[in-house]
Amino acid sequence: DVKVTQSSRYLVKRTGEKVFLECVQDMDHENMFWYRQDPGLGLRLIYFSYDVKMKEKGDIPEGYSVSREKKERFSLILESASTNQTSMYLCASSSQQGSPLNQPQHFGDGTRLSIL
Amino acid sequence: AQSVAQPEDQVNVAEGNPLTVKCTYSVSGNPYLFWYVQYPNRGLQFLLKYITGDNLVKGSYGFEAEFNKSQTSFHLKKPSALVSDSALYFCAVRGRDNQGGKLIFGQGTELSVKP
Repeated sequence: DVKVTQSSRYLVKRTGEKVFLECVQDMDHENMFWYRQDPGLGLRLIYFSYDVKMKEKGDIPEGYSVSREKKERFSLILESASTNQTSMYLCASSSQQGSPLNQPQHFGDGTRLSIL
Repeated sequence: AQSVAQPEDQVNVAEGNPLTVKCTYSVSGNPYLFWYVQYPNRGLQFLLKYITGDNLVKGSYGFEAEFNKSQTSFHLKKPSALVSDSALYFCAVRGRDNQGGKLIFGQGTELSVKP
């Protein structure tokens, strides 16, 4: 089974802090994604990556950056945390092999981040 | 633009009754369609997908989904609901011209199954 591991389940940080959320997958997947989930808004894509050192902006990249130095690890960075970034953050990965368009995404259990 | 709509925020069903969670989509060309389930304090789990072929797709935990091209719908169904099916359900779409792995998600439907 694919395992996507997010380093923290719960995190509390202060306004203005630089925050790092880490995600590791063990299936050698090429694609990795960061979403935030808010009630009534569903999942919104922040950033995604097709390969090492490669990144693409999603729908809501403002205030965030990402890093993918190794294939298995995709980090989300809040440059200067603000209270409106309090949310559930979900990491996902998917394969680019075979028929990539029909490959499902596999999700971690999420990090619930509170910015005070 | 590609989009997914889940018209019901919440669906309430009695245990043992059939359930339907609705999803409609808008995408250029033929779509790839997915259903996910999210239990409290967990990530999303993949349930099933439609790529091509049979309009009725079977997935995990006894769920199935019916693809209807003329109505651009992909409703999730189960013949007999269980209390343990209570969760948040997401429909997602990927167009054939979409980049690699990107998915567009609906807003989610909260399913509540009462004993």
